[in-house]
Amino acid sequence: AQRVTQPEKLLSVFKGAPVELKCNYSYSGSPELFWYVQYSRQRLQLLLRHISRESIKGFTADLNKGETSFHLKKPFAQEEDSAMYYCALSGNTGFQKLVFGTGTRLLVSP
Amino acid sequence: DSGVTQTPKHLITATGQRVTLRCSPRSGDLSVYWYQQSLDQGLQFLIQYYNGEERAKGNILERFSAQQFPDLHSELNLSSLELGDSALYFCASSVGQGANQPQHFGDGTRLSIL
Repeated sequence: AQRVTQPEKLLSVFKGAPVELKCNYSYSGSPELFWYVQYSRQRLQLLLRHISRESIKGFTADLNKGETSFHLKKPFAQEEDSAMYYCALSGNTGFQKLVFGTGTRLLVSP
Repeated sequence: DSGVTQTPKHLITATGQRVTLRCSPRSGDLSVYWYQQSLDQGLQFLIQYYNGEERAKGNILERFSAQQFPDLHSELNLSSLELGDSALYFCASSVGQGANQPQHFGDGTRLSIL
């Protein structure tokens, strides 16, 4: 069964501090991992996906199959990064469903 | 705005009633997904349609049903409503039918059962 765990409900940091939002997954096949973000009064939107291997808004995430993790990182947090972040997992073939974690609220204080 | 649109934004009704939530996908997208988000829960996948056909099913209750019409809009029907059905219901769309494709979300419909 697919499962995504985000152990922190809330992560509070100061502006300029490094940020790491944790995501662990459970999946027997070959996973595809995503980070979605929801800023205040905006829609849930895709932030990045592991197959793209890109940095979006300074965020990166590396898929670690050994540790079954896909942590989201940013070296220097900005106030505008404050949002709800969801890690999500799907299989890489066919009609596999997208499974979301419960989300982590990131609060960046000045 | 050619993004995903959901109506209504808010819905308040009583136990035992039936409601219909509507979703129009982003222009060009053929897949529609429905999710339920209850308090302190992540988004729970309910069902997916692709070009009018059901493609995948999650933990959707038998009291719930959905369909996708020829114009690609979708409706989620919730019947015999219970207090526990109070939640935010999101619709998302994507171009293709694989769940590994980026999904574009609507603003959601907040359903409150009194």
